[in-house]
Amino acid sequence: VLTQSPGTLSLSPGDRATLSCRASQIVSAAYLAWYQQRPGQAPRLLIYATSTRAAGVPDRFSGSGSGTDFTLAISRLEPEDFAVYYCQQYGRSPRYTFGQGTRLEIK
Amino acid sequence: QVQLVQSGSEVKKPGASVKVSCKATGYNSSDYYMHWVRQVPGQGLEWIAIINPRGDRTEYVQKLQGRVTMTRDTSTSTVFVDLRSLTFEDTAVYYCVRGGPSPYGDYSQFDLWGQGTLVTVSS
Repeated sequence: VLTQSPGTLSLSPGDRATLSCRASQIVSAAYLAWYQQRPGQAPRLLIYATSTRAAGVPDRFSGSGSGTDFTLAISRLEPEDFAVYYCQQYGRSPRYTFGQGTRLEIK
Repeated sequence: QVQLVQSGSEVKKPGASVKVSCKATGYNSSDYYMHWVRQVPGQGLEWIAIINPRGDRTEYVQKLQGRVTMTRDTSTSTVFVDLRSLTFEDTAVYYCVRGGPSPYGDYSQFDLWGQGTLVTVSS
């Protein structure tokens, strides 16, 4: 089980955001991803293997963590960053599980 | 253009079946694992199925075992998901998603998503 916190994060453009994803069992860092979903759109891959940015993802997005605790950080929020973020593990069984999501909203 | 194009919205009655398609363009889809993920409106993401590049091996989420079948037609670069005995709880947006390339593509992030297909189960 992946538990994301907080459920909702209220920040202003230019702020730094820190989103947490905690696993109930150890997750290999090679198999932890983050996705962004804007309203009315399909999810988009942001980070894979804990810290590798997907193609075209700005460098203000960064991922870190190990074991059971993982973090997505956004250094300077832009208006288009306000969305829902999901973590996912794709290694151990049951595979392909997602966290419940963190909603990043404009304060 | 590298993309996944899904079939249109569906409205079905409880107990019916639905089959959603997804066509890959712009890359050699026969090299890649493919998935289906669904999302109940206003809720989170739920993985439901995976198929290997050759189309001869599938895996499903336990809660849908016996009601769901994923297939692929490599000649048309299309994958399908067939969901039977629909209930109101199956109302969701269904996304087809690309996994990784063989041979370890089932241990890979989801890097390309279709636009989604809304399946509504309504009496």
